Amino acid sequence: GAVVSQHPSWVICKSGTSVKIECRSLDFQATTMFWYRQFPKQSLMLMATSNEGSKATYEQGVEKDKFLINHASLTLSTLTVTSAHPEDSSFYICSARGPVWGEQFFGPGTRLTVL
Amino acid sequence: EDQVTQSPEALRLQEGESSSLNCSYTVSGLRGLFWYRQDPGKGPEFLFTLYSAGEEKEKERLKATLTKKESFLHITAPKPEDSATYLCAVQAGGGSTLGRLYFGRGTQLTVWP
Repeated sequence: GAVVSQHPSWVICKSGTSVKIECRSLDFQATTMFWYRQFPKQSLMLMATSNEGSKATYEQGVEKDKFLINHASLTLSTLTVTSAHPEDSSFYICSARGPVWGEQFFGPGTRLTVL
Repeated sequence: EDQVTQSPEALRLQEGESSSLNCSYTVSGLRGLFWYRQDPGKGPEFLFTLYSAGEEKEKERLKATLTKKESFLHITAPKPEDSATYLCAVQAGGGSTLGRLYFGRGTQLTVWP
């Protein structure tokens, strides 16, 4: 149980294009999902908290117009990187808050490379 | 400011050589401390949740303990397949964003045969 999937697992795009990443909780409902970014040999940096049916809460320094988050259902949250640039290249990981209070379960991550 | 510090940054062990990883934290109102394992290019895999000082949890060769200021992840007789980065995260109460985790930078464990 408590499986979270992400799609795609990797994507390469040209500078200026937009990329959408999907995060799904497969066997449980998640009212809250989180989006993280991870640089090589660094820990996870929280970008935003996504609540089903409401606007996402972004961490300080994260551009909400660049990283669009939509949590339209209890099992799906999406992150869209708009007008991507090479500096947006990173490993993006989502997590979903599980049924036991406090626990988070992570997706496998999406490697984004912007050329 | 809430902080999580893990040590050592990297640890190399011979197979069978037991050791411990440390996670020290300073947070306002600890709600929970979490240990994750992360393999290269993958998302973190949940290992343990600890909620109060004195609590211990075990899973195979791993045992996590918690005090008021730190947590230890003990690895007994490790095997090469235990090689990974181990992440510690805390969940704070107070005015923190509900449910958010504060992560340490991790300990990269390498177990060689």
